[in-house]
Amino acid sequence: GAGVSQTPSNKVTEKGKYVELRCDPISGHTALYWYRQSLGQGPEFLIYFQGTGAADDSGLPNDRFFAVRPEGSVSTLKIQRTERGDSAVYLCASSLSSPAGHNEQFFGPGTRLTVL
Amino acid sequence: KQEVTQIPAALSVPEGENLVLNCSFTDSAIYNLQWFRQDPGKGLTSLLLIQSSQREQTSGRLNASLDKSSGRSTLYIAASQPGDSATYLCAVSVHYIDTDKLIFGTGTRLQVFP
Repeated sequence: GAGVSQTPSNKVTEKGKYVELRCDPISGHTALYWYRQSLGQGPEFLIYFQGTGAADDSGLPNDRFFAVRPEGSVSTLKIQRTERGDSAVYLCASSLSSPAGHNEQFFGPGTRLTVL
Repeated sequence: KQEVTQIPAALSVPEGENLVLNCSFTDSAIYNLQWFRQDPGKGLTSLLLIQSSQREQTSGRLNASLDKSSGRSTLYIAASQPGDSATYLCAVSVHYIDTDKLIFGTGTRLQVFP
């Protein structure tokens, strides 16, 4: 079946603008994660959804970042008043039911965000 | 706080060599450890997942071992090929309250030349 998909693949915006990044998880996966990967670094956890609710948003860097998953499938990461430091690759992953601690996370191709 | 370190940061070898990539983590309370491959400008491809109760996993020319008590994992690549050139990331799965999150290392950039 289809893997995790993310749109857009690339997004260029100007400082101060609002952006939305979309993630379509693997069908049937109830757990969904957002990570952010800066150049030369490993991905860093942002937020985790179990079903529709954000079970852990401790990785969001500040209140300009927000994510939703209203129907327990597609998720949207929203960034307000973008800053140049927000430039990174935003990765989405999904897995079977969690917390179980034993489920493999499957990653999408990422959205490369560039803030000019 | 869990920290993951990967050594070396970069590696350049001629094809045919057998390689060892190292990953270490500071807290042994992990659920599993995953090795990923990342090609330039691309997402992550899972290579191997080792549960905390396991010692190793094998897939083709890849073998990953886990020594949880010492906080170490190695990824062994046999008979390397130019197509193996990529960044290799290791990540440990940790459970905090209601979350299973992955903590990543910074990766090893591998180049295999003909």
